[in-house]
Amino acid sequence: DAGVTQSPTHLIKTRGQQVTLRCSPKSGHDTVSWYQQALGQGPQFIFQYYEEEERQRGNFPDRFSGHQFPNYSSELNVNALLLGDSALYLCASSLARDRRETQYFGPGTRLLVL
Amino acid sequence: AQRVTQPEKLLSVFKGAPVELKCNYSYSGSPELFWYVQYSRQRLQLLLRHISRESIKGFTADLNKGETSFHLKKPFAQEEDSAMYYCALGNFGNEKLTFGTGTRLTIIP
Repeated sequence: DAGVTQSPTHLIKTRGQQVTLRCSPKSGHDTVSWYQQALGQGPQFIFQYYEEEERQRGNFPDRFSGHQFPNYSSELNVNALLLGDSALYLCASSLARDRRETQYFGPGTRLLVL
Repeated sequence: AQRVTQPEKLLSVFKGAPVELKCNYSYSGSPELFWYVQYSRQRLQLLLRHISRESIKGFTADLNKGETSFHLKKPFAQEEDSAMYYCALGNFGNEKLTFGTGTRLTIIP
């Protein structure tokens, strides 16, 4: 099991563009959470998906949206990119029915907005 | 609102010396506290959680609800402990986590 995988590893976009990041959860996991980690900061929760629906959301604008597929993989979409969206985007997976289960993190996608 | 504070951005400790990384939190309910670690060129991974009461790689952390703290300690630092450490707060392990800004620990040989 490769654990949580994310693609692409790096991405460069310009202001105003749109971006889609992808995440495959750890085998057996059904819940995917997304975090944004700006330089020098800790990860900040964006949202969490379970059963193909957004279950929880952090303090991020509507420009940030997501999707979960029947195979539990997930996408994070960001519209109208701003310079401040430059960050490492982390995906984490977990198992919903086991409240004791922790989140396993992927390696992240580094997004640079010029 | 949930908040996690890690007052030290950088901490340098000699090999063999004790280590303490500080973490304070604010939360109105019953918190679950975690320490995550990120070694160089590796992904973020769980080090320990307070409900487990385990010692992982010699590290321990005690939840002090009176002082709202969850400091990470190790009696004798090793070179392989050099890494970025994040304290995190959540309701349960699989729900939203609130992270601190992290402490970069460097062990001096």
